[in-house]
Amino acid sequence: QKEVEQNSGPLSVPEGAIASLNCTYSDRVSQSFFWYRQYSGKSPELIMSIYSNGDKEDGRFTAQLNKASQYVSLLIRDSQPSDSATYLCAVSSPNSSASKIIFGSGTRLSIRP
Amino acid sequence: SAVISQKPSRDICQRGTSLTIQCQVDSQVTMMFWYRQQPGQSLTLIATANQGSEATYESGFVIDKFPISRPNLTFSTLTVSNMSPEDSSIYLCSAEAWRGNYGYTFGSGTRLTVV
Repeated sequence: QKEVEQNSGPLSVPEGAIASLNCTYSDRVSQSFFWYRQYSGKSPELIMSIYSNGDKEDGRFTAQLNKASQYVSLLIRDSQPSDSATYLCAVSSPNSSASKIIFGSGTRLSIRP
Repeated sequence: SAVISQKPSRDICQRGTSLTIQCQVDSQVTMMFWYRQQPGQSLTLIATANQGSEATYESGFVIDKFPISRPNLTFSTLTVSNMSPEDSSIYLCSAEAWRGNYGYTFGSGTRLTVV
């Protein structure tokens, strides 16, 4: 079982709609959860981090965390063509020496005009 | 917030040679991370580098192949040794950062092609 799982997509969403991206993780002691956006040929860019159960909103983005279900999601409201990118879910799992970030395989999102 | 300068941005190397990638952070950070990203794939953690101690390598990565230096709290290098075409990939360094959200920021990446 992969440590962090995402649907690879592509996910196609019409402009102006809500895009919903999902992620599950296997390590129950995971503490921190991140969503990154990666445009083709560029390095990942942090969108949001979330640590507690519930929702966290930042502009058009809402991250949702459910630790009991080991599930984290990202909602993008009023989707724009510029949101077309690969979205990476990442999870921080503490080990004996340092926290490390494990990435999912990413979901390709395409916003169609 | 930390900004990471990574170089070289790309290189084409002969098999059997070595390449050293450098990352400079504009602020002191405790941990730095090195990732590899194969084309169309996600990021795979190679190792975690703490200043003053040996790097911690993930399963499948060994120090002889990917030696790492961390001489101070703002700098780290990754060497890809005795390269083969299978080492062709994008290599990224990362460090903790605060940019509105706490998280980890990345260098711009090194695109390595081994011929």
